[in-house]
Amino acid sequence: QVQLLQSGPGLVKPSQTLSLTCAISGDSVSSDIAAWNWIRQSPSRGLEWLGRTYYRSKWYNDSAVSVRGRITINPDTSKNQFSLQLDSVTPDDTAVYYCASGWAFGVWGQGTVVTVSS
Amino acid sequence: DIVMTQSPDSLAVSLGERATINCKSSHSIFSTYHNKDDLAWSQQKPGQPPKLLIYWASTRQSGVPDRFSGSGSGTDFTLTISSLQAEDVAVYYCHQYHTTPISFGQGTRLDIK
Repeated sequence: QVQLLQSGPGLVKPSQTLSLTCAISGDSVSSDIAAWNWIRQSPSRGLEWLGRTYYRSKWYNDSAVSVRGRITINPDTSKNQFSLQLDSVTPDDTAVYYCASGWAFGVWGQGTVVTVSS
Repeated sequence: DIVMTQSPDSLAVSLGERATINCKSSHSIFSTYHNKDDLAWSQQKPGQPPKLLIYWASTRQSGVPDRFSGSGSGTDFTLTISSLQAEDVAVYYCHQYHTTPISFGQGTRLDIK
C-alpha cells in the first residue's frame, strides 16, 4: 500500500524559496509506471496542479505555466522521495501543498499548510 | 489548456436519495491509447486531502462503496451517489489527466437536506 509523508516548513518569507519533501513507502520513485505530483489548494485558486516527475528510462518533468521558471521537482532515489522547490515566493503562494501519486492521484500526502509572510 | 466546469456549485439532497454532479471539459479527454476517458472524481472532507473515488471516468477505486458511480464520455461526465449517506457530505472534484496542465473543476459542495 503506497503512502506519502510530507515534510517541510510551514512559514516562508517573501522572495525566499519554499522547499517540501514527499517520502514514498510502498512504491519506488523510479517506478516506470508511476508519476509523482505536487498540487496546492487555496481559497482563491482552488486545487492547482503544479508539476510532476516520472521515470521512463530517463527522468521527465512537467510543470504548470503559472509556476514555470520558479519550480523544481527533483526525485531522490537514495531516499525514495521527491521534492518541491518554489523560488521567489509571494503571499499569493500561500496554500496547502500536497504531494500525490499517479495520473489520477490515487494517493495523497497529508498536506502542508505553507504561509508566505514576513 | 483544458478547462473543467462542474455543476452545480452546491446541492443538498435528502438521506437515501440520489445525488448527481456534472463535469464538463472544454476539449475531449478521450485517450485513444487506453480507449478510455482520462477523468477522475475525488471527495474531500474538511481538513483532509482529496480521496480518489473514480478514474477512467467510470472505474471505482478499490474500497469505494458501490453507491458511487461515474459515467459519461468525451466532454460530459457525471458522478452519481445512488443513496446518500451522512458520511458523503463533502466537496467533490473532477479532474482531467489527459494533458498537462492537469486541471480540476471548481468543486461541488454536497450537503444533507
